[in-house]
Amino acid sequence: QQQVKQSPQSLIVQKGGIPIINCAYENTAFDYFPWYQQFPGKGPALLIAIRPDVSEKKEGRFTISFNKSAKQFSLHIMDSQPGDSATYFCAAQYGGATNKLIFGTGTLLAVQP
Amino acid sequence: ETGVTQSPTHLIKTRGQQVTLRCSSQSGHNTVSWYQQALGQGPQFIFQYYREEENGRGNFPPRFSGLQFPNYSSELNVNALELDDSALYLCASSPGGGNQPQHFGDGTRLSIL
Repeated sequence: QQQVKQSPQSLIVQKGGIPIINCAYENTAFDYFPWYQQFPGKGPALLIAIRPDVSEKKEGRFTISFNKSAKQFSLHIMDSQPGDSATYFCAAQYGGATNKLIFGTGTLLAVQP
Repeated sequence: ETGVTQSPTHLIKTRGQQVTLRCSSQSGHNTVSWYQQALGQGPQFIFQYYREEENGRGNFPPRFSGLQFPNYSSELNVNALELDDSALYLCASSPGGGNQPQHFGDGTRLSIL
């Protein structure tokens, strides 16, 4: 019940394309859903996050879509650029005193020029 | 605003040795969590500290232990190192529990020979 399933494992798009990464969860105790971007040799950087009372959130070129009934959420990257090439992790966070994160397995995104 | 800083950046140890990793939390953050990230995997929660007390623990053996200091900085100690402990160890801080976002440092790369 603690798993967060993420797909695809890897993704290649052309510059300007819209990569979409999908995640699914089981545990309804999660109530905060962040996305992290990680470059080689660096720690995960918080990109955008959503709470389950909202169906969509947009920040710049990044959009999260959230479907509470299906227990699914996805990341869309508009007008993707070669600098967006990185590994993306979805995560789910418990809302209790211990706000531990459960991460997906990651998606390696390559944006070709 | 100073972000999360970790030291050292790289460390090489041999089986059976002990190691201490250090983390300075982001300014104003009183909660520190530690994660282990194996190569090609998402980070796995080790434990969390809030106001110098352990506030939750993941599925890691007791030889993984920690401390948090009055200035909210933290240490991760690992005894009796095993080959499988080779990983990137990440520290994340947040301004409390619940739905607070967690911000990561760049980690310590630990290699066990």
